Amino acid sequence: LAKTTQPISMDSYEGQEVNITCSHNNIATNDYITWYQQFPSQGPRFIIQGYKTKVTNEVASLFIPADRKSSTLSLPRVSLSDTAVYYCLVGPFSGGYNKLIFGAGTRLAVHP
Amino acid sequence: DTAVSQTPKYLVTQMGNDKSIKCEQNLGHDTMYWYKQDSKKFLKIMFSYNNKELIINETVPNRFSPKSPDKAHLNLHINSLELGDSAVYFCASSQDSGLAGYEQYFGPGTRLTVT
Repeated sequence: LAKTTQPISMDSYEGQEVNITCSHNNIATNDYITWYQQFPSQGPRFIIQGYKTKVTNEVASLFIPADRKSSTLSLPRVSLSDTAVYYCLVGPFSGGYNKLIFGAGTRLAVHP
Repeated sequence: DTAVSQTPKYLVTQMGNDKSIKCEQNLGHDTMYWYKQDSKKFLKIMFSYNNKELIINETVPNRFSPKSPDKAHLNLHINSLELGDSAVYFCASSQDSGLAGYEQYFGPGTRLTVT
Protein backbone atom coordinates (compact mmCIF):
# COMPACT_ATOMS: atom_id res chain seq x y z
CA LEU A 1 0.00 0.00 0.00
CA ALA A 2 1.15 3.53 -0.72
CA LYS A 3 2.93 5.35 2.09
CA THR A 4 1.11 8.35 3.53
CA THR A 5 2.32 11.36 5.50
CA GLN A 6 0.09 13.51 7.70
CA PRO A 7 0.72 16.20 10.32
CA ILE A 8 1.05 14.67 13.77
CA SER A 9 -1.32 17.12 15.39
CA MET A 10 -3.55 20.12 14.74
CA ASP A 11 -5.46 22.52 16.91
CA SER A 12 -8.65 24.36 16.08
CA TYR A 13 -11.55 26.14 17.72
CA GLU A 14 -15.23 25.43 17.68
CA GLY A 15 -17.00 26.66 14.59
CA GLN A 16 -13.90 26.76 12.40
CA GLU A 17 -13.29 24.75 9.27
CA VAL A 18 -10.45 22.27 9.60
CA ASN A 19 -8.43 20.94 6.69
CA ILE A 20 -6.13 17.96 7.20
CA THR A 21 -3.80 17.21 4.31
CA CYS A 22 -2.30 13.83 3.57
CA SER A 23 0.62 13.31 1.19
CA HIS A 24 0.80 10.13 -0.86
CA ASN A 25 3.40 10.75 -3.54
CA ASN A 26 3.59 7.10 -4.62
CA ILE A 27 -0.13 6.61 -5.14
CA ALA A 28 -0.86 4.10 -7.91
CA THR A 29 -3.40 4.48 -10.70
CA ASN A 30 -5.84 2.03 -9.13
CA ASP A 31 -5.43 3.33 -5.56
CA TYR A 32 -8.27 4.92 -3.62
CA ILE A 33 -8.03 7.25 -0.64
CA THR A 34 -9.90 6.47 2.57
CA TRP A 35 -10.16 8.46 5.79
CA TYR A 36 -11.03 7.16 9.24
CA GLN A 37 -11.72 8.91 12.54
CA GLN A 38 -10.92 7.46 15.96
CA PHE A 39 -12.26 8.88 19.20
CA PRO A 40 -10.46 8.09 22.47
CA SER A 41 -11.19 4.58 23.73
CA GLN A 42 -13.16 3.66 20.60
CA GLY A 43 -12.52 1.82 17.38
CA PRO A 44 -11.91 3.77 14.16
CA ARG A 45 -14.90 4.91 12.14
CA PHE A 46 -14.98 5.21 8.35
CA ILE A 47 -15.54 8.81 7.27
CA ILE A 48 -15.10 9.18 3.53
CA GLN A 49 -13.46 7.71 0.46
CA GLY A 50 -12.55 9.04 -2.95
CA TYR A 51 -10.52 8.66 -6.12
CA LYS A 52 -10.31 12.14 -7.63
CA THR A 53 -11.74 15.66 -7.51
CA LYS A 54 -14.22 16.15 -4.68
CA VAL A 55 -16.38 13.88 -2.57
CA THR A 56 -18.82 15.15 0.04
CA ASN A 57 -21.00 13.42 2.59
CA GLU A 58 -22.84 14.47 5.72
CA VAL A 59 -19.66 14.38 7.79
CA ALA A 60 -16.85 15.76 5.65
CA SER A 61 -15.52 16.64 2.22
CA LEU A 62 -12.51 15.13 0.52
CA PHE A 63 -10.55 17.14 -2.01
CA ILE A 64 -8.14 15.35 -4.34
CA PRO A 65 -6.11 17.34 -6.89
CA ALA A 66 -5.55 16.15 -10.42
CA ASP A 67 -2.12 14.62 -9.70
CA ARG A 68 -3.59 12.73 -6.71
CA LYS A 69 -0.33 13.02 -4.77
CA SER A 70 -2.18 14.49 -1.84
CA SER A 71 -5.68 14.73 -0.43
CA THR A 72 -7.37 17.06 2.01
CA LEU A 73 -10.05 16.10 4.49
CA SER A 74 -12.24 19.08 5.27
CA LEU A 75 -14.39 19.23 8.38
CA PRO A 76 -16.83 22.15 8.31
CA ARG A 77 -17.59 24.05 11.51
CA VAL A 78 -15.94 21.68 13.96
CA SER A 79 -17.24 21.13 17.46
CA LEU A 80 -15.60 19.76 20.60
CA SER A 81 -16.89 16.31 19.64
CA ASP A 82 -14.69 16.32 16.54
CA THR A 83 -11.62 15.96 18.75
CA ALA A 84 -10.15 12.69 17.51
CA VAL A 85 -7.36 11.10 15.53
CA TYR A 86 -7.83 11.14 11.76
CA TYR A 87 -6.17 8.54 9.56
CA CYS A 88 -5.51 8.68 5.85
CA LEU A 89 -5.11 5.36 4.02
CA VAL A 90 -4.35 4.63 0.40
CA GLY A 91 -4.92 1.28 -1.23
CA PRO A 92 -5.93 -0.49 -4.44
CA PHE A 93 -9.51 -1.09 -5.50
CA SER A 94 -9.24 -4.82 -4.89
CA GLY A 95 -7.68 -6.62 -1.96
CA GLY A 96 -5.84 -3.78 -0.26
CA TYR A 97 -8.32 -3.68 2.58
CA ASN A 98 -6.91 -6.97 3.84
CA LYS A 99 -3.60 -5.30 4.56
CA LEU A 100 -4.56 -1.98 6.13
CA ILE A 101 -1.94 -0.28 8.27
CA PHE A 102 -3.07 2.79 10.11
CA GLY A 103 -0.17 5.17 10.63
CA ALA A 104 0.15 7.67 13.45
CA GLY A 105 -2.70 9.75 12.06
CA THR A 106 -3.41 13.40 12.82
CA ARG A 107 -4.51 14.20 16.34
CA LEU A 108 -7.05 17.03 16.10
CA ALA A 109 -7.84 18.98 19.24
CA VAL A 110 -10.83 21.31 19.10
CA HIS A 111 -10.92 24.00 21.76
CA PRO A 112 -13.88 26.03 23.07
CA ASP B 1 -28.32 -2.17 17.95
CA THR B 2 -24.61 -2.82 18.25
CA ALA B 3 -23.08 -3.54 14.86
CA VAL B 4 -19.79 -5.09 16.00
CA SER B 5 -19.48 -6.26 19.60
CA GLN B 6 -16.55 -7.66 21.53
CA THR B 7 -16.25 -9.36 24.86
CA PRO B 8 -14.71 -8.84 27.27
CA LYS B 9 -14.03 -5.10 27.26
CA TYR B 10 -11.17 -5.53 29.71
CA LEU B 11 -9.00 -8.57 30.25
CA VAL B 12 -6.26 -8.80 32.85
CA THR B 13 -4.27 -12.00 33.00
CA GLN B 14 -0.88 -13.41 33.84
CA MET B 15 1.96 -14.38 31.59
CA GLY B 16 1.71 -17.87 30.23
CA ASN B 17 -2.08 -18.05 30.33
CA ASP B 18 -4.31 -18.78 27.36
CA LYS B 19 -7.20 -16.42 26.67
CA SER B 20 -9.88 -15.73 24.09
CA ILE B 21 -11.64 -12.60 22.91
CA LYS B 22 -15.01 -12.94 21.23
CA CYS B 23 -16.35 -10.85 18.36
CA GLU B 24 -19.75 -10.79 16.75
CA GLN B 25 -21.17 -8.67 13.93
CA ASN B 26 -24.82 -8.32 12.96
CA LEU B 27 -24.22 -6.43 9.71
CA GLY B 28 -24.32 -9.43 7.42
CA HIS B 29 -20.74 -8.79 6.37
CA ASP B 30 -18.68 -11.59 4.94
CA THR B 31 -15.22 -10.50 6.04
CA MET B 32 -13.96 -9.97 9.57
CA TYR B 33 -10.68 -8.69 10.91
CA TRP B 34 -8.60 -8.43 14.03
CA TYR B 35 -6.39 -5.43 14.71
CA LYS B 36 -3.92 -4.65 17.47
CA GLN B 37 -3.35 -1.11 18.77
CA ASP B 38 -0.23 -0.87 20.86
CA SER B 39 0.80 1.65 23.49
CA LYS B 40 2.08 4.02 20.82
CA LYS B 41 -1.40 3.95 19.29
CA PHE B 42 -0.33 2.36 16.02
CA LEU B 43 -3.15 0.21 14.68
CA LYS B 44 -2.05 -2.80 12.69
CA ILE B 45 -4.06 -5.53 11.06
CA MET B 46 -3.47 -9.04 12.38
CA PHE B 47 -5.93 -11.18 10.43
CA SER B 48 -8.45 -10.88 7.67
CA TYR B 49 -10.92 -13.75 7.31
CA ASN B 50 -13.84 -14.73 5.15
CA ASN B 51 -15.23 -18.09 4.15
CA LYS B 52 -12.72 -18.32 1.34
CA GLU B 53 -9.43 -17.49 2.97
CA LEU B 54 -7.54 -16.41 6.03
CA ILE B 55 -4.92 -13.74 5.49
CA ILE B 56 -2.39 -13.50 8.28
CA ASN B 57 -0.07 -10.56 8.80
CA GLU B 58 3.38 -12.15 8.72
CA THR B 59 4.44 -10.35 11.90
CA VAL B 60 1.75 -12.02 14.03
CA PRO B 61 3.15 -14.80 16.27
CA ASN B 62 1.56 -18.20 15.82
CA ARG B 63 0.40 -18.00 19.44
CA PHE B 64 -2.46 -15.96 18.01
CA SER B 65 -5.17 -17.78 16.10
CA PRO B 66 -8.57 -16.69 14.80
CA LYS B 67 -11.49 -19.08 15.03
CA SER B 68 -14.74 -18.54 13.15
CA PRO B 69 -17.67 -20.74 14.18
CA ASP B 70 -19.87 -18.98 11.63
CA LYS B 71 -19.97 -15.96 9.36
CA ALA B 72 -21.03 -13.58 12.14
CA HIS B 73 -18.29 -14.49 14.61
CA LEU B 74 -14.51 -14.31 14.63
CA ASN B 75 -12.88 -15.08 17.95
CA LEU B 76 -9.24 -14.48 18.79
CA HIS B 77 -7.36 -17.11 20.77
CA ILE B 78 -4.04 -16.29 22.33
CA ASN B 79 -1.79 -18.94 23.82
CA SER B 80 1.08 -18.49 26.27
CA LEU B 81 0.47 -14.78 26.79
CA GLU B 82 3.50 -12.49 26.99
CA LEU B 83 3.95 -9.02 28.43
CA GLY B 84 4.26 -7.60 24.92
CA ASP B 85 0.78 -8.80 24.06
CA SER B 86 -0.67 -6.04 26.24
CA ALA B 87 -2.62 -3.80 23.89
CA VAL B 88 -6.11 -2.94 22.72
CA TYR B 89 -7.51 -5.46 20.28
CA PHE B 90 -10.18 -4.40 17.83
CA CYS B 91 -12.45 -6.58 15.79
CA ALA B 92 -13.89 -5.21 12.54
CA SER B 93 -16.05 -6.34 9.64
CA SER B 94 -16.83 -5.31 6.09
CA GLN B 95 -18.17 -6.58 2.82
CA ASP B 96 -15.58 -8.47 0.84
CA SER B 97 -15.71 -6.62 -2.44
CA GLY B 98 -13.78 -3.78 -3.99
CA LEU B 99 -14.10 -0.47 -2.23
CA ALA B 100 -16.63 -1.79 0.28
CA GLY B 101 -13.77 -3.61 1.97
CA TYR B 102 -12.31 -0.29 3.01
CA GLU B 103 -15.50 0.68 4.84
CA GLN B 104 -14.81 -1.36 7.91
CA TYR B 105 -16.93 -1.28 11.05
CA PHE B 106 -14.96 -1.59 14.25
CA GLY B 107 -15.94 -2.96 17.61
CA PRO B 108 -15.33 -1.09 20.87
CA GLY B 109 -12.05 -2.84 21.57
CA THR B 110 -10.73 -5.18 24.25
CA ARG B 111 -7.99 -3.86 26.48
CA LEU B 112 -5.69 -6.76 27.32
CA THR B 113 -3.23 -6.38 30.15
CA VAL B 114 -0.69 -9.11 30.77
CA THR B 115 1.06 -9.03 34.14
